[in-house]
Amino acid sequence: EPEVTQTPSHQVTQMGQEVILRCVPISNHLYFYWYRQILGQKVEFLVSFYNNEISEKSEIFDDQFSVERPDGSNFTLKIRSTKLEDSAMYFCASMGQGASQPQHFGDGTRLSIL
Amino acid sequence: QKEVEQNSGPLSVPEGAIASLNCTYSDRVSQSFFWYRQYSGKSPELIMSIYSNGDKEDGRFTAQLNKASQYVSLLIRDSQPSDSATYLCAVNGAGNMLTFGGGTRLMVKP
Repeated sequence: EPEVTQTPSHQVTQMGQEVILRCVPISNHLYFYWYRQILGQKVEFLVSFYNNEISEKSEIFDDQFSVERPDGSNFTLKIRSTKLEDSAMYFCASMGQGASQPQHFGDGTRLSIL
Repeated sequence: QKEVEQNSGPLSVPEGAIASLNCTYSDRVSQSFFWYRQYSGKSPELIMSIYSNGDKEDGRFTAQLNKASQYVSLLIRDSQPSDSATYLCAVNGAGNMLTFGGGTRLMVKP
């Protein structure tokens, strides 16, 4: 069964450094998402992406964050200058075409900021 | 502020019993509702989706939706120890972004 893949599984970074989290969505999906989950808290929406542009973003997704689809398969989340509070699990999700399809999640990247 | 509320639990049921998980949501215009299962340290895994009022059954799982009451539930029949996990209710909003509840931790005791 097709799946969303994320790399790396765990990223440890010094505060203030840039990180790029990578995702390969399911191949025929057109909608892409990033969510995060701080340990012990809810899964929170960050950003949605469709047709090579951001369609929605949350208050969390400030100027330190950016997303990109650099080629036909990858979807990346960049955090420019990481803060301690960016430590969380980051999940990529993708969705096929059609109203209200379910989103399928990757295994996540655990980001630890030191 | 769109809210999705769940009892955090833990909900403890004996093996073979029915587990009943509940969720309420605040946004009346929501159209799509999902249940995800999340094992500790893992990603959300889709269990059920439901879009119209009433019941939807898939194997041991039944999702129930009542839009007038803004209420979604998940029933798990013949609960197994492997069903022990956190169950996340998610509601679809603008741009198909999902708003998640905090999850209900289910423990199925052998």
